[in-house]
Amino acid sequence: DTEVTQTPKHLVMGMTNKKSLKCEQHMGHRAMYWYKQKAKKPPELMFVYSYEKLSINESVPSRFSPECPNSSLLNLHLHALQPEDSALYLCASSQDRGTLLTQYFGPGTRLTVL
Amino acid sequence: GESVGLHLPTLSVQEGDNSIINCAYSNSASDYFIWYKQESGKGPQFIIDIRSNMDKRQGQRVTVLLNKTVKHLSLQIAATQPGDSAVYFCAENTGNQFYFGTGTSLTVIP
Repeated sequence: DTEVTQTPKHLVMGMTNKKSLKCEQHMGHRAMYWYKQKAKKPPELMFVYSYEKLSINESVPSRFSPECPNSSLLNLHLHALQPEDSALYLCASSQDRGTLLTQYFGPGTRLTVL
Repeated sequence: GESVGLHLPTLSVQEGDNSIINCAYSNSASDYFIWYKQESGKGPQFIIDIRSNMDKRQGQRVTVLLNKTVKHLSLQIAATQPGDSAVYFCAENTGNQFYFGTGTSLTVIP
């Protein structure tokens, strides 16, 4: 089983709203990732968690707040977003961080900020 | 950051023909490469990978070729089908980082 699940599938929010994106994997992977993908562009790395600890924050604005409650779950808390934050948000996981390790992606959450 | 680029942003092929999607990378220290397929509205799906100590790897209808001399990676799809229509990304693994290419949009003409 190489499934990563994400909820919700679609999300529309106003600039003053607070919402959360959720990601789950049951492959026993210890590294989990958040990516942002704009239309017709490759995924851009936002955050990396390794063994439930944040190991990479790619200079992401503080209006995005990641959380890793346990080894299977990854959340992305959203607050005071801007319209330009509208994108597909992808979660991925891999067995561990490091080389030669495949990342498996979820289906993404399509976020629209009004 | 690293540069992982694709030679062609779009590719159209006739159903049943073979497809070749190319990718150039810049870091000679990269040791692992993956091809992903992304259909409209979905997340990237793993297709095939190859380690730097190999120059060819075959899967079901797909073959990845790695030429380390010129830092070039290609994905060959045999007997292309309409379901192969998607955007294809190469990804390069260097150390703990993954870098994605710009993507090639493949359209299969029935």
